[in-house]
Amino acid sequence: DAGVIQSPRHEVTEMGQEVTLRCKPISGHNSLFWYRQTMMRGLELLIYFNNNVPIDDSGMPEDRFSAKMPNASFSTLKIQPSEPRDSAVYFCATTWGDGSYNEQFFGPGTRLTVL
Amino acid sequence: AQTVTQSQPEMSVQEAETVTLSCTYDTSESDYYLFWYKQPPSRQMILVIRQEAYKQQNATENRFSVNFQKAAKSFSLKISDSQLGDAAMYFCAYRSAFAAGNMLTFGGGTRLMVKP
Repeated sequence: DAGVIQSPRHEVTEMGQEVTLRCKPISGHNSLFWYRQTMMRGLELLIYFNNNVPIDDSGMPEDRFSAKMPNASFSTLKIQPSEPRDSAVYFCATTWGDGSYNEQFFGPGTRLTVL
Repeated sequence: AQTVTQSQPEMSVQEAETVTLSCTYDTSESDYYLFWYKQPPSRQMILVIRQEAYKQQNATENRFSVNFQKAAKSFSLKISDSQLGDAAMYFCAYRSAFAAGNMLTFGGGTRLMVKP
C-alpha cells in the first residue's frame, strides 16, 4: 500500500486566494483526521471523519476553513480566503475502526505558505 | 479537556548512550492510550511505541521503552543505544479510550539531537 497520500506537498499562494488540500486514505481505513502543525501551536486536530461523516470539527479555526469527505477514498481541506497566519504544515492521518488503540498513519503533509 | 506537556524542548545524547524524554499529561479519565511519535526532518510522523493505561507492564519496542507511571500521569520514553537516525522531533500523544472519538492530543514536542 502506498500509505496516506497528500497533495500537493508544497503550496505557495497569495493572501485572499482559495487553497485546497487533498488526502487519499489507506484503503480500508474508515477514520480520517486533518491536523495542522505550526511552531507556535504545535500539532492541532482540525477535524475528524468517521465513515465519511464529520464527527468533530471543533478544531476548525474559523469559517474560512471547510473540509469534506465525499467518499471513503478522498478528502479535501479548503481555505477560502487564505491568510498569512494559515501558513503551516497540514497533515492527514487515517486509521480503521473506532478502536482507540489503533495506530494513526500520517501522510507526508502539505507545507502551505500564504504570502 | 486533556493536556499533554513535554517540558524539554531540546535534548542531546551521545551516540550509543541512553536518553530519556519526559511527558506528563492531565486527564480525569481512567482508561486511555498513550503514544510516542517520531518526526524526522522528512516531516513524516512515525509511531514509535504505545501504551494502554490499564496495562501495568511498560511497553518496549527494541531499543525504545517507556516508563508509565499512571498515578503520576507520567509517560517517559527511553532510547537505548542511541543512533544517528534517532535524531528527530518526538511527540507524546494521548487518546481517550472512549468511543467519542479517536483524536490524538499532542504535546509540544522534544527535539532530540544525537552527537557522533
